[in-house]
Amino acid sequence: EAQVTQNPRYLITVTGKKLTVTCSQNMNHEYMSWYRQDPGLGLRQIYYSMNVEVTDKGDVPEGYKVSRKEKRNFPLILESPSPNQTSLYFCASSSGQVSYEQYFGPGTRLTVT
Amino acid sequence: GENVEQHPSTLSVQEGDSAVIKCTYSDSASNYFPWYKQELGKGPQLIIDIRSNVGEKKDQRIAVTLNKTAKHFSLHITETQPEDSAVYFCAASRWDSNYQLIWGAGTKLIIKP
Repeated sequence: EAQVTQNPRYLITVTGKKLTVTCSQNMNHEYMSWYRQDPGLGLRQIYYSMNVEVTDKGDVPEGYKVSRKEKRNFPLILESPSPNQTSLYFCASSSGQVSYEQYFGPGTRLTVT
Repeated sequence: GENVEQHPSTLSVQEGDSAVIKCTYSDSASNYFPWYKQELGKGPQLIIDIRSNVGEKKDQRIAVTLNKTAKHFSLHITETQPEDSAVYFCAASRWDSNYQLIWGAGTKLIIKP
């Protein structure tokens, strides 16, 4: 089954404790992206990647890091989480060729206390 | 840069009636306009999209219209059903933007029985 998976789905952590949210897709997509979703603000892009070893900042990259060492994986790293990073996070992927459709993962609910 | 405004933020309609959600965009070079549906607890999913060389596109009960002159596009859902209850996002993109989508803030659609 074609899908984007994220782990963990729910995470409660404390300020300053480094964490990684994993994202994996099995569709051989070149494009992957991370978004955060906050009430009234819609989806805001954090980082995106056009292919392996190619990443770029989105609209709200501060406090986040990403890497793309393999085509299927695109982890999101919060090296020193703060309460304002409490949000719902989505990973998405797209082939970016015939179709621009983005396939989203199920989301990760992060709470930073 | 591109900005996408979406209205209304919440829409409540009687089951069986029609629903219309409207979006305006600022960048006249935008040429791809998708609509995504987000059900509770899930990631957004593409339901319909339109390119700038087309004025209208239909898929069963849903349709999208595009007015390039006025820079707005709309989602129309006819004969609404309970399963249409969700949050709907519009987005805009341009051909040279590396698949980047600029998202509207979302519309919560409530179908009243």
